[in-house]
Amino acid sequence: QKEVEQNSGPLSVPEGAIASLNCTYSDRGSQSFFWYRQYSGKSPELIMSIYSNGDKEDGRFTAQLNKASQYVSLLIRDSQPSDSATYLCAVKNTGNQFYFGTGTSLTVIP
Amino acid sequence: SAVISQKPSRDICQRGTSLTIQCQVDSQVTMMFWYRQQPGQSLTLIATANQGSEATYESGFVIDKFPISRPNLTFSTLTVSNMSPEDSSIYLCSVAGTGGSGNTIYFGEGSWLTVV
Repeated sequence: QKEVEQNSGPLSVPEGAIASLNCTYSDRGSQSFFWYRQYSGKSPELIMSIYSNGDKEDGRFTAQLNKASQYVSLLIRDSQPSDSATYLCAVKNTGNQFYFGTGTSLTVIP
Repeated sequence: SAVISQKPSRDICQRGTSLTIQCQVDSQVTMMFWYRQQPGQSLTLIATANQGSEATYESGFVIDKFPISRPNLTFSTLTVSNMSPEDSSIYLCSVAGTGGSGNTIYFGEGSWLTVV
């Protein structure tokens, strides 16, 4: 199920910096895109969804979508140690199924 | 979002046995899915659980190995049959949100299976 690709990392950033996470997808007809956060030993939890080209901001999180390039990203501003987790990109395809990327492991260093 | 309860939350299973995982949702949902997450890996969709009909399996997953039931809009089961150590994994039930949030999915807490 290689429909969604992410850099596996690990990605390390200092506290207060911006963390940038990237994702590409293969189904050009996909219309819905999501970022989930998964702490070790826990199930994934939804952070953000984005459906239109451009940026969508929610607090310290900004999702960016470029359907022409089939590219989704997540920016985390003012990163905190509590942001240390694995971030999963998910895409809802034209068949209404949700596929996940391999996840990017983020560590925020105090 | 719906509250999703899975049982068992954790189990150690003997090779060659089968285990059934239950997923109960506190409201009626149209779409239910079963995912597997092997150690250190991302989520892999096993199948879509269809109410009143056979589940729709993804490539690489078959009904004989992972039989699924969905008798109503709030409940589903996944059985992992004839288990081997390679089946050691987290199994996650998920549901599509309802109403305005129908465009995303939410997860239960997962069932952590270790096969010895």
